[in-house]
Amino acid sequence: GENVGLHLPTLSVQEGDNSIINCAYSNSASDYFIWYKQESGKGPQFIIDIRSNMDKRQGQRVTVLLNKTVKHLSLQIAATQPGDSAVYFCAENIETSYDKVIFGPGTSLSVIP
Amino acid sequence: DAGVTQSPTHLIKTRGQQVTLRCSPKSGHDTVSWYQQALGQGPQFIFQYYEEEERQRGNFPDRFSGHQFPNYSSELNVNALLLGDSALYLCASSSPYREAQYFGPGTRLLVL
Repeated sequence: GENVGLHLPTLSVQEGDNSIINCAYSNSASDYFIWYKQESGKGPQFIIDIRSNMDKRQGQRVTVLLNKTVKHLSLQIAATQPGDSAVYFCAENIETSYDKVIFGPGTSLSVIP
Repeated sequence: DAGVTQSPTHLIKTRGQQVTLRCSPKSGHDTVSWYQQALGQGPQFIFQYYEEEERQRGNFPDRFSGHQFPNYSSELNVNALLLGDSALYLCASSSPYREAQYFGPGTRLLVL
């Protein structure tokens, strides 16, 4: 069935270090993946996305890696800042399900000043 | 350019009542999806509206219904409220080109 899960529910990193948030998915039909950031009291904010025909995509201070062989997705944040503290969700989408997006349970990232 | 907007921001209801939540999509977006987010969990897909029709539906009972208007705005209606309906209700809009959905700030519903 469709399932998106995260290995680590919480992550604490020192300011300036790099952060890596991992995500596992079980549906091999998923072909579009999105990372969202959600701060307390706000809606999820789009960070970066990647389609299944790519292995890596870079944005501003963020990189998403996709390993389809083991159904694994990761979000790397370079030079983590206090403003990066939030809950991060990976989400998957299957083309045949239009825009039905399945979210994982989330990882809470805490940045230590 | 306004993003996705939702109203109201907070709402308190009692069991058995009915509630209507509203959403205006981001400019240029024609598809609206609704999600329920319980505390400490990821958003759960309720349904999606496109061209004023429900196109996709998640695992939610018929008490949850919706509507999309010609200007692409949308409403979520929940009848016969239960205590378990207390959650953050999120609206997300997207373009016709299967790109990422953009979320509004949500409506926090408390059922007493």
